[in-house]
Amino acid sequence: TQLLEQSPQFLSIQEGENLTVYCNSSSVFSSLQWYRQEPGEGPVLLVTVVTGGEVKKLKRLTFQFGDARKDSSLHITAAQPGDTGLYLCAGRGSARQLTFGSGTQLTVLP
Amino acid sequence: DAGVTQSPTHLIKTRGQQVTLRCSPKSGHDTVSWYQQALGQGPQFIFQYYEEEERQRGNFPDRFSGHQFPNYSSELNVNALLLGDSALYLCASSSYPGELFFGEGSRLTVL
Repeated sequence: TQLLEQSPQFLSIQEGENLTVYCNSSSVFSSLQWYRQEPGEGPVLLVTVVTGGEVKKLKRLTFQFGDARKDSSLHITAAQPGDTGLYLCAGRGSARQLTFGSGTQLTVLP
Repeated sequence: DAGVTQSPTHLIKTRGQQVTLRCSPKSGHDTVSWYQQALGQGPQFIFQYYEEEERQRGNFPDRFSGHQFPNYSSELNVNALLLGDSALYLCASSSYPGELFFGEGSRLTVL
């Protein structure tokens, strides 16, 4: 069974601060995705990383896939209250299914 | 273009009862996956349907079953409900190997 561990589980910061969320596994994934989920809604895809060492930027969000394709990080610069939500990483292994991490609940205080 | 739609959005059942949740995939998608999400946790994979057959299954008991219809819509059935089955049930559709699109979920409360 492929497991993904996310850290921290909870994060509360002030507007304008930077933060990093980590997603780690002992398994290799063919690709890794990051989602954000808001209360009462389903997860929404932010990015997919495929190549080991790949870095993708989405405005103030920077995503990195580890060289060995076992881990990933999400860095947010100058966080805003609108960034508040549950951030989920999900890995796609040999099967079609996605394995999700346990999530990081981010709260950005104004 | 409608996205993934799920029904009902909320429901309350008692222990031992049975429940059926429904999902209509995004137009053009032929694969439906079901996930269970406990409060504050990541979604857990239940099973996936493609061409009206269960193709993959996660670590869920046989009380969880499903079906996919010729129009690609899908149902999730849970028998003999337990308190621990209380969760948000998410449906996601895709056309492999594309992106998964999630519905807003069905919130099940078992009393």
